[in-house]
Amino acid sequence: DVKVTQSSRYLVKRTGEKVFLECVQDMDHENMFWYRQDPGLGLRLIYFSYDVKMKEKGDIPEGYSVSREKKERFSLILESASTNQTSMYLCASSSGQGGTNYGYTFGSGTRLTVV
Amino acid sequence: AQKITQTQPGMFVQEKEAVTLDCTYDTSDPSYGLFWYKQPSSGEMIFLIYQGSYDQQNATEGRYSLNFQKARKSANLVISASQLGDSAMYFCAMREITNAGKSTFGDGTTLTVKP
Repeated sequence: DVKVTQSSRYLVKRTGEKVFLECVQDMDHENMFWYRQDPGLGLRLIYFSYDVKMKEKGDIPEGYSVSREKKERFSLILESASTNQTSMYLCASSSGQGGTNYGYTFGSGTRLTVV
Repeated sequence: AQKITQTQPGMFVQEKEAVTLDCTYDTSDPSYGLFWYKQPSSGEMIFLIYQGSYDQQNATEGRYSLNFQKARKSANLVISASQLGDSAMYFCAMREITNAGKSTFGDGTTLTVKP
């Protein structure tokens, strides 16, 4: 069964901490994405990556960075966590082949609370 | 301008009845894909159905069908014979050929199935 695995379902961190959210996929997908989901705001793209060591900013990259050292792993880093980063974080992957018929496979999400 | 618009924040349907969730989109790309995802209260996003812009037939997957009206730029999801387990948030998304693998999501519709 193909999977995208996020390391934590629930996380509580203190303001100012450096936070790592990990995502691993086993589908050999080229593309990986990090979204945050907030009530009334839908899914907002933070960062994405098309290949190892490549990254592109999404719509709301401020306060975040990413790392993709291996094809299967895409990490989201909150450099100095703040309370306004309390949210649900969703990782997704998709095939990088040409065409529009490749949807996302999502992880189960990480609910991060910053106190 | 919103690329994906879901105008129904919440919908109710009686068990065993059919329900239509609305989605309109905006693109100038000649080639694009439209997707619907389901997000139960557990948080994981689940792919439901895909429609390509060049597909002549409406997509169907079991109880799910996509009512694709290209001229009107709408891609409504129809769920037949609703079940209690269909209660969830539903997201419409679009992947454009020129948007390099990224999908754009609507704000979602919360569906509640009543017994």
